[in-house]
Amino acid sequence: GAGVSQSPSNKVTEKGKDVELRCDPISGHTALYWYRQSLGQGLEFLIYFQGNSAPDKSGLPSDRFSAERTGGSVSTLTIQRTQQEDSAVYLCASSLIGDEQYFGPGTRLTVT
Amino acid sequence: GESVGLHLPTLSVQEGDNSIINCAYSNSASDYFIWYKQESGKGPQFIIDIRSNMDKRQGQRVTVLLNKTVKHLSLQIAATQPGDSAVYFCAEISGGSYIPTFGRGTSLIVHP
Repeated sequence: GAGVSQSPSNKVTEKGKDVELRCDPISGHTALYWYRQSLGQGLEFLIYFQGNSAPDKSGLPSDRFSAERTGGSVSTLTIQRTQQEDSAVYLCASSLIGDEQYFGPGTRLTVT
Repeated sequence: GESVGLHLPTLSVQEGDNSIINCAYSNSASDYFIWYKQESGKGPQFIIDIRSNMDKRQGQRVTVLLNKTVKHLSLQIAATQPGDSAVYFCAEISGGSYIPTFGRGTSLIVHP
């Protein structure tokens, strides 16, 4: 079946603008994760959704970052007033609870 | 060998050799460990996992070894192929959590 998809694949934005990144998880997966990956680095956890529970936002780096998951499916990561240090690849993953995560291809964000 | 800054630790091998990629984890309470492979421009892909009640687990051409005494994890790839060239990440999860902590990654380069 279809894997995790993310859009856009690439996004270039000017410093100070807001951006929205979208993730479509695998159907039926109750858990959804957002990560950030900077060049040559590992994955930095941002936020975790599980079913109807309150999301774990402990990884969000500042209040400019927010995410929502509508209807337990599609998720949107929003970054307000983007800064150059926000440039990175943003990865989404979904899973059944406690099971392996399936990652999307990522969105490469460049803030100029 | 390992280098600093933006450069990942790199392992270069010849096609057909066996590869060993190492990972030191930080949390003695971690009880679930996962290896991921990330090819250029793609999201990480699950390779193999191991729980803390085991010290070895084998898959197809891959073996994961866990040494809890020294908090060390390794991934062995037998008969390495050019298609194995990628960045490999280990991840650890502590009991009761569903959020993995990722290592920095090792770049594997397989020369034909």
